[in-house]
Amino acid sequence: KNQVEQSPQSLIILEGKNCTLQCNYTVSPFSNLRWYKQDTGRGPVSLTIMTFSENTKSNGRYTATLDADTKQSSLHITASQLSDSASYICVVSSSSGGGADGLTFGKGTHLIIQP
Amino acid sequence: GAGVSQSPSNKVTEKGKDVELRCDPISGHTALYWYRQSLGQGLEFLIYFQGNSAPDKSGLPSDRFSAERTGGSVSTLTIQRTQQEDSAVYLCASSLGTPRWGPPLHFGNGTRLTVT
Repeated sequence: KNQVEQSPQSLIILEGKNCTLQCNYTVSPFSNLRWYKQDTGRGPVSLTIMTFSENTKSNGRYTATLDADTKQSSLHITASQLSDSASYICVVSSSSGGGADGLTFGKGTHLIIQP
Repeated sequence: GAGVSQSPSNKVTEKGKDVELRCDPISGHTALYWYRQSLGQGLEFLIYFQGNSAPDKSGLPSDRFSAERTGGSVSTLTIQRTQQEDSAVYLCASSLGTPRWGPPLHFGNGTRLTVT
């Protein structure tokens, strides 16, 4: 069964500090992995996508990594800001499709940035 | 440009009543999804439409739930005889093509349903 596990479930850090969120998956065959940010009361918004051949990709203060061998991804946030407070959701796609169009969602990491 | 629009943003209904939730996807997006998000929980897949193909209804939790997509655009999710456990945020998303090959999901801000 395809699964996506995210850790930690929740995290509180001080403004200006760095943090790393983890995503482990068992989805096969793998197509891509996408990180979404969900602000309170809003729908998720895509931050970045990782494909099989990509190891690292940056989007401003966000850097995502992918290790396709160990089936792990991380999202590193540098110099956190209050606006980074949100839930971060990892979504892994299977190239074989299947139920839900082959998309498996993690339960998310709830990040709180304190001033 | 306009994003995915959902209405109403909030809905309070009595147990046993029927409700209809509406989703206007981004123009030209062929894929449309409905998800349910309970408090503190992850997104639960409900149903998926892709072009003119038969919808994937594998996530609908019971026969009280149904959805349609008219003219390949607007979608309506209907919940009949609502129960308290149906209380959640219902999110709609659309995509240009099939996300498993790359395109992102574009989400609306959801409809918060409360069944009293």
